[in-house]
Amino acid sequence: GDSVTQMEGPVTLSEEAFLTINCTYTATGYPSLFWYVQYPGEGLQLLLKATKADDKGSNKGFEATYRKETTSFHLEKGSVQVSDSAVYFCALIPDKLIFGTGTRLQVFP
Amino acid sequence: DGGITQSPKYLFRKEGQNVTLSCEQNLNHDAMYWYRQDPGQGLRLIYYSQIVNDFQKGDIAEGYSVSREKKESFPLTVTSAQKNPTAFYLCASSRQGESTDTQYFGPGTRLTVL
Repeated sequence: GDSVTQMEGPVTLSEEAFLTINCTYTATGYPSLFWYVQYPGEGLQLLLKATKADDKGSNKGFEATYRKETTSFHLEKGSVQVSDSAVYFCALIPDKLIFGTGTRLQVFP
Repeated sequence: DGGITQSPKYLFRKEGQNVTLSCEQNLNHDAMYWYRQDPGQGLRLIYYSQIVNDFQKGDIAEGYSVSREKKESFPLTVTSAQKNPTAFYLCASSRQGESTDTQYFGPGTRLTVL
């Protein structure tokens, strides 16, 4: 069945470091892909999305490109801040939203 | 401001009691969803509704019930039949429930069974 695999965390970085969180998926057809972010004690917020191959989603300095050939949607940011510390979820929606298990990011000053 | 509200933020229940979690949206969305989140895991779909007076079971519906009498409201009841109800519950909505529609989430309710 359809699924999402994320790299395990936590990912620990110093402020201004480069961030990559890997996400690969298995799906039939052409699903839409999403990154959501969850700050401590809160619900999920949509960070970015891409609806077709080669689309690049971007928001708040984060980017992810829909790569059909490698079935990937890796999240990147050039310079992280302490305020980016959160759990990041990759998700896809063939017919319903399917989430990865989440990757916790910890950024230290 | 449009958005999704969930109440209460924290809820405590004794074993054997039913409890109802509230979810309201003023985004004029047709579709609404309930998810459960356990520590270190992704979200799992409990129930969803694409239109008033209609809803479908998700992946883990056992021990839960819902109603959709109004477009704005989608309450979730955690019944005593749910064997392990302690979790973080998230409500979401989307414009029409189409596969490309973005789901928007509420702030969540943390349920603890004492």
